[in-house]
This record gives sequence, C-alpha cells and structure tokens, in this order.
Amino acid sequence: QKEVEQNSGPLSVPEGAIASLNCTYSDRGSQSFFWYRQYSGKSPELIMFIYSNGDKEDGRFTAQLNKASQYVSLLIRDSQPSDSATYLCAVRPGGYQKVTFGTGTKLQVIP
Amino acid sequence: EPEVTQTPSHQVTQMGQEVILRCVPISNHLYFYWYRQILGQKVEFLVSFYNNEISEKSEIFDDQFSVERPDGSNFTLKIRSTKLEDSAMYFCASSGRMNTEAFFGQGTRLTVV
Repeated sequence: QKEVEQNSGPLSVPEGAIASLNCTYSDRGSQSFFWYRQYSGKSPELIMFIYSNGDKEDGRFTAQLNKASQYVSLLIRDSQPSDSATYLCAVRPGGYQKVTFGTGTKLQVIP
Repeated sequence: EPEVTQTPSHQVTQMGQEVILRCVPISNHLYFYWYRQILGQKVEFLVSFYNNEISEKSEIFDDQFSVERPDGSNFTLKIRSTKLEDSAMYFCASSGRMNTEAFFGQGTRLTVV
C-alpha cells in the first residue's frame, strides 16, 4: 500500500475557479501534513501545513484535514495561471522526522 | 527572507567518482535533511541530521552516502563512488523545530555519466 496517494492529474480548471486537490495517507499515527508546490525543474515550495483536524486558511489557500478518514486536501480559490504547477502532499508519519511525499497532482489553470 | 542555499546548482561527474553536495541551512534551524528526486519521480527522503548526528535514514542511504556538518553553517552530502542511478535532483532542507515544516533549497542536479 502506498504511504501517500495523490491523483497524478492533470487537473484542469478555468482561471478564477476553485481547484481542489486531494491526498490520502496510510499511517494512522501521522502527525503533520504539508502541501508543497513544485514548478517544473524547481524545488518544492511550502504552501501550507496543518497539524489538527479541520480547516486552515491562508490567503487563497485552505488546507483540510480529516484524520479519521486519513484524508487531507488543498483548496485554491480564484485560481490563477501562475498556480499551474505540481502540488505535492507530504506527510510526517508518527514517530519519524522524515516526510513522505506523494507523487504530486499536476494542476493546469486555463486562462 | 531566510533561505536554504545549495551549491553547485549542477554537477556532472563520471561514474565511480566521489561528489560532495553542499548546503547552507537557514541559520537558526536545528534539523537538516537531504532528499532526492529522480526525474519524473517523487521526492524521496534520504537522511535527517540533528545535534551533529544522523537521526534517521532511508534504505537508499547506504554505505556510499555520508553527511557532515563540518562547521557551524555548512551541511554536506557525500557520495563516495557514484553510479548512473544516482543521477537526480538532490534537495537539502531544514526546519527549526522537530516535527515542523521543512524549507527546501533550490537543489543540485547531479548527472552521472
């Protein structure tokens, strides 16, 4: 079973729409959850982190965590063409310092 | 804004040669990491380092790999005898406290020929 699963996409949304990116994880003891954005050929850039169940908002971004369902999501409101990138879900399993990444979801925002 | 810096940005080496990848973590951070990303694949954890010792490593981080913090600012990854399959982007990351978010450097692209 994959530790962190994401739909590889591409997910295409029109400019101004809400993009919804989803991720599931296998380790029920996971404590920390991260969303990184990665442009082609570049390094992962931290977008959001969430540690508690519920929603966390930062500007146009909202991270949602449901530990019972082992599910974390990222909503991007008012999507812009500059948001076009691969979004990496990353999870820190319980008892570890390492972070396990999913394969990423490629988002395309169509002008 | 503080950032993690890595040098060189691109390294080409012959198979069997030793390479050292260098990183300067964010200055007040205490936890340091190396990750790699083979082209088209996911980001993979290699090793974490805290208090001048390895705290965690993956199965990828075998005897050919080593890490060092030679002074108060640099953090290095050494590959003793490179193989073709070591070709990848190598990312250094650091975090300020345990279990908190990690910030990544811009990466070193290692090409083994």
